[in-house]
Amino acid sequence: DSGVTQTPKHLITATGQRVTLRCSPRSGDLSVYWYQQSLDQGLQFLIHYYNGEERAKGNILERFSAQQFPDLHSELNLSSLELGDSALYFCASSVGAGVQETQYFGPGTRLLVL
Amino acid sequence: GQQLNQSPQSMFIQEGEDVSMNCTSSSIFNTWLWYKQDPGEGPVLLIALYKAGELTSNGRLTAQFGITRKDSFLNISASIPSDVGIYFCAGRGAGGTSYGKLTFGQGTILTVHP
Repeated sequence: DSGVTQTPKHLITATGQRVTLRCSPRSGDLSVYWYQQSLDQGLQFLIHYYNGEERAKGNILERFSAQQFPDLHSELNLSSLELGDSALYFCASSVGAGVQETQYFGPGTRLLVL
Repeated sequence: GQQLNQSPQSMFIQEGEDVSMNCTSSSIFNTWLWYKQDPGEGPVLLIALYKAGELTSNGRLTAQFGITRKDSFLNISASIPSDVGIYFCAGRGAGGTSYGKLTFGQGTILTVHP
């Protein structure tokens, strides 16, 4: 158990819908990272937040947005869902934002868009 | 953008055999990491490498950060059935838009026959 929690574990929804994925980092960690894992693209970095502020963006679609709240939990919002958005979404956390910070991954949310 | 080529894609070995996998990059990384992912779980960090040329061990696992900073390898000695899983290499850049972002290889699926 990494100490990172993600809810829900599974999510099934329809195209065009909007969903929110939630992540609680390890106690004391200020950084939260979101990744998408799909069969064709592999593990892809989406976005990084540190202490409530966006620090880096990867290949995140405009239909996707994220935020980190004052209690440090984070939410990833996916809207206007398409079939291709079906994937595993992982959250990871680290103590700080330095280049030697170890990122601990949560168990993921499996999203299926029908 | 940065890409990692990980090989082999899959390996089928007998228990007790040694395993070797590697990653090469088209650009330089400041950190190389090796993760293992079990089905239905998030990636778990095995070894982290922070300096070019660094050789680090974790039990039966040994990894090296290539001198050119564009490659890394992971060796597993005397494999056991619980080594089964998907192994990912990941690299982290120096800063700017790469700050905190991990770029992952495609993964090596390891199967160990008892």
